[in-house]
Formats: sequence, structure tokens, C-alpha cells
Amino acid sequence: AQRVTQPEKLLSVFKGAPVELKCNYSYSGSPELFWYVQYSRQRLQLLLRHISRESIKGFTADLNKGETSFHLKKPFAQEEDSAMYYCALSGNAGNMLTFGGGTRLMVKP
Amino acid sequence: NAGVTQTPKFQVLKTGQSMTLQCAQDMNHEYMSWYRQDPGMGLRLIHYSVGAGITDQGEVPNGYNVSRSTTEDFPLRLLSAAPSQTSVYFCASSRPTRANTGELFFGEGSRLTVL
Repeated sequence: AQRVTQPEKLLSVFKGAPVELKCNYSYSGSPELFWYVQYSRQRLQLLLRHISRESIKGFTADLNKGETSFHLKKPFAQEEDSAMYYCALSGNAGNMLTFGGGTRLMVKP
Repeated sequence: NAGVTQTPKFQVLKTGQSMTLQCAQDMNHEYMSWYRQDPGMGLRLIHYSVGAGITDQGEVPNGYNVSRSTTEDFPLRLLSAAPSQTSVYFCASSRPTRANTGELFFGEGSRLTVL
């Protein structure tokens, strides 16, 4: 069985502070991991995927197979980063994703 | 650029009533799926389809039915609504695995309340 855990329901930081949203997974095969974001009154959308090793809006995430983690990081948070963030894993069922419980990030001015 | 369209956006039902949540996509995506979003539990897969005429169960299928008669449409039916089905429902579509980068395209969501 595959599982994604996001231990923090809420993360509150000040503008300019570093941010790390934690994600741990459980999966027996070779995982594909993603971060999705839902801004207020917008649709859930893909933020980044581990295979691309890209930086989107200043966010990066590194897959650590030893620790089974895929934490999302940004060195300097901005107020517009405030949103709900979901870590997701793609397993056997085609493109169907298993999502974590989500972390609400609040960036205070 | 409609993308994935869900209707209705809001619905209130009484226990035991039935209803259908509609989902349509205009991107010619083969894969479509339904998720429910509950606080602290993230999104959980209800049913999914890898093409017209093919459907399968996800993590929480009980109490829901789906069909996929066309590539564009993937309705979700609640047979006899229960308060435990109060949730926000999301429909999503994507390309097949070979061509896919893992990106699901989501609808705006349908908020359902069962009294």
C-alpha cells in the first residue's frame, strides 16, 4: 500500500523567513512524487515534480529515498505563497495520485 | 479554455436522496478521476477511468457509482446520500502515463452537504 504523510496541518512563518513543508511517503516501488498547491479561490494545480528537478516560484523539493521524504523548501517566503500545499505520489494505478493530508502555509507580513 | 468543468458547484441533499455530479473535460484526456477532499485527510480517490468504457475503484468507492460512455464526460452518482458524504468533490483529468508528466488538471470542485 502507498501512503503520503504531511505531519503539519498548519505552518505559519513571517515574510522573508525560510519555509520547509514536510512530506514523507511509503511505497514499495520506485516513486514519482509531486507537490500540488491550491491558492485561495483557485483550482488545485501542479507546483513541481521530482523528476524535473526544477525550481518553481522559488520552491524546490528533493527526493530522499533513504529517508522516504520529499520536503518542499523555499529560502525566503512571500505573502503570495500563502496557500494549501499537498504532497502526492504516483503509484501503480496509472496516473492516479495518492495525496497527503495537506499543509496550510500562512505567510505573515 | 474551459479545461475541466464540474456542476453543480454547491448542493444540499437530505439523507437518502440521490444525485449526480457532472464532470466534463475538453482536452481529449484519456484519464479521468474523482476525489473527495476532507479536512486533515487530503484528497482521496473515489473512482477513476483510463478511457471510455473503463472504470475502476479507488480508495473510497462505497456509496458512489461512475460510468464513462464518452471521453469527455465522467459523472459521479451518489445512490443514497449519507451525512458522511458531506465533502468537497474534485474531478480531474490527465493524459495517459506514457505521455504524462504526472500533471492532473482539476475542476473547481463541488461542495456537497448532506443533512
